[in-house]
Amino acid sequence: GESVGLHLPTLSVQEGDNSIINCAYSNSASDYFIWYKQESGKGPQFIIDIRSNMDKRQGQRVTVLLNKTVKHLSLQIAATQPGDSAVYFCAENPDTGRRALTFGSGTRLQVQP
Amino acid sequence: GAGVSQSPSNKVTEKGKDVELRCDPISGHTALYWYRQSLGQGLEFLIYFQGNSAPDKSGLPSDRFSAERTGGSVSTLTIQRTQQEDSAVYLCASSYGTGAHEQYFGPGTRLTVT
Repeated sequence: GESVGLHLPTLSVQEGDNSIINCAYSNSASDYFIWYKQESGKGPQFIIDIRSNMDKRQGQRVTVLLNKTVKHLSLQIAATQPGDSAVYFCAENPDTGRRALTFGSGTRLQVQP
Repeated sequence: GAGVSQSPSNKVTEKGKDVELRCDPISGHTALYWYRQSLGQGLEFLIYFQGNSAPDKSGLPSDRFSAERTGGSVSTLTIQRTQQEDSAVYLCASSYGTGAHEQYFGPGTRLTVT
């Protein structure tokens, strides 16, 4: 399938290194912040989320950090692998009544072997 | 189990024609969402269905866009009198209950309006 995000900011890392992808969000009232991974030709895939009353959450090889003071979200990937190459989107749930997500513009992660 | 499926995977249409895009959500998921993704962009919310409630249509860009969900399952997004700016990937997602932040996406339908 065609790649999405041809003009996205790109982070290039060596295999085995740690990756940090950053995101600024806009709505202080959002109750969840989420990271999605999108591989070429596929729909986004849920990675991890964090509730607004937390500042850190860990998953398998991934950690999400939330800094509400500066409205900043980050995704840390440990021991990055070639299969991690994709576009990563942060998203927020800005309106608890609506339940639809607002997505950021994405960051392309390229893992060099 | 089966994930979210969408059809067709690709659609090329002439400007002015109507198109219908289909989404089959995961069985048992009560919430269904349509998003649009243009090249180099993030996802733009279009419409949201939750159970038997009235859909949230606040993201539809014009009255040429409409969607329905029959029997609480399959959904169809219709674009009338297509324009070139409608060219994008249309993504459908579903989620269970109130877990809106964990949405399961289909592979999308790539629409090209010539």
